[in-house]
Amino acid sequence: AQSVTQLGSHVSVSEGALVLLRCNYSSSVPPYLFWYVQYPNQGLQLLLKYTSAATLVKGINGFEAEFKKSETSFHLTKPSAHMSDAAEYFCAVSNFGNEKLTFGTGTRLTIIP
Amino acid sequence: DTEVTQTPKHLVMGMTNKKSLKCEQHMGHRAMYWYKQKAKKPPELMFVYSYEKLSINESVPSRFSPECPNSSLLNLHLHALQPEDSALYLCASSQNGQGSTDTQYFGPGTRLTVL
Repeated sequence: AQSVTQLGSHVSVSEGALVLLRCNYSSSVPPYLFWYVQYPNQGLQLLLKYTSAATLVKGINGFEAEFKKSETSFHLTKPSAHMSDAAEYFCAVSNFGNEKLTFGTGTRLTIIP
Repeated sequence: DTEVTQTPKHLVMGMTNKKSLKCEQHMGHRAMYWYKQKAKKPPELMFVYSYEKLSINESVPSRFSPECPNSSLLNLHLHALQPEDSALYLCASSQNGQGSTDTQYFGPGTRLTVL
């Protein structure tokens, strides 16, 4: 079975501050991990994904995430928050040979001007 | 072009109505998905079609009936829905579906309200 846990359903940061959204995974086999962003009344857009290559993954819009096997974590970071980053962020996991993508409960990111 | 389109954007229906949601992609993807997303919740997988065949049904009630007429098109037929079925219905597609490293591309969704 595979699952992800997102710590913090709401995160608020000031504009220009570091963004850190937490995701821990549970998987009996090597996982593939994804971060998606959802803006209000829109579908989901892939930010980045880890597929067992480099452990530090760079994505779109200045986001990056680091896969840490020892901590079973895949936290999402961005050095400097922008107002346009306000959205819902979902961490997701899948396993090789399994089409199913399992999402975490999401973290709503608010940017304070 | 990485676009998945969904129609209609909004749908209001009564419990006795029959309606359909439509999803289309022209990226040559061979796997297509239906998700249901309730407010402030993550998407929940409903169905997966891989190479036009239903490969996953997540124990969805029979009042939801998926159809994949061809590799570019995915429908979700709705009949005798309940108010609790009101949600955002998201369609997604990916290159193959068998390899889970494939990125799933999502459409904007259909906001369904059942009265």
